[in-house]
Amino acid sequence: GEDVEQSLFLSVREGDSSVINCTYTDSSSTYLYWYKQEPGAGLQLLTYIFSNMDMKQDQRLTVLLNKKDKHLSLRIADTQTGDSAIYFCAESKDNQGGKLIFGQGTELSVKP
Amino acid sequence: NAGVTQTPKFQVLKTGQSMTLQCAQDMNHNSMYWYRQDPGMGLRLIYYSASEGTTDKGEVPNGYNVSRLNKREFSLRLESAAPSQTSVYFCASSSGGEGSPLHFGNGTRLTVT
Repeated sequence: GEDVEQSLFLSVREGDSSVINCTYTDSSSTYLYWYKQEPGAGLQLLTYIFSNMDMKQDQRLTVLLNKKDKHLSLRIADTQTGDSAIYFCAESKDNQGGKLIFGQGTELSVKP
Repeated sequence: NAGVTQTPKFQVLKTGQSMTLQCAQDMNHNSMYWYRQDPGMGLRLIYYSASEGTTDKGEVPNGYNVSRLNKREFSLRLESAAPSQTSVYFCASSSGGEGSPLHFGNGTRLTVT
C-alpha cells in the first residue's frame, strides 16, 4: 500500500540540531521531498533527493535516505526560532512530478 | 511575481450548496494540481491536470469536478457540498515531469455546515 509516516511533534532548543524522520512504503518512488508549511501559508519546497542517492546537503539541511529500510530523514543544523513550522515528507508516484503522497507532517517547535 | 493565486481565502457553505474554487498561476507551468489538507492526514491529491486540455483523478476525487480553463487557470467545483468536504484546499503547479517541484498557493479554508 501507499503510506508515508512521520511523527507528529518535535521540540528542540534554539541552536540544537533537529532531526525529522519519515518512513515510506513504495520502493518504486523516484524522488522524495521535504516541504515546509508556515502558519496560514501553502507548502514550500525545502529540498528533495533522487532515489539513487543516499545523502544530500544544502546549507543547514542534510537529507539521508536509507532505501533498504525505506527511511528518510531531514536534519536541520543550528535550528532557529524561524524554523518553527510543519515539515512534510512526500514521495513521488509514477513519473508525474506533482502526484505526491504526503506524510501527516511533523510540527517542529523551537524554544529560545 | 504572484506565483499561484487562490480565491477565495475563506468560505462557509451550507450542506448542498455549490461553489467553485479558483486558481491561477503566472509561471507558465504545464501541470496543475488540487490537494486537500485535513488534520493528521497530510495532503491528498483530488485532481490534477498534466497539461492544458487534460485532467485526471487523484486519490480522493469523489464529490469534485475540475476545469483546466487555459494554461494559467485550474478550477475546482463542489456541486453539492457535504460536511466531509470541510478542509483546506491547496492549488499547486509545476513545470511537469519527475523532480519538478510543486509551487503552492496559500490555500482556501472551506467550512461546510
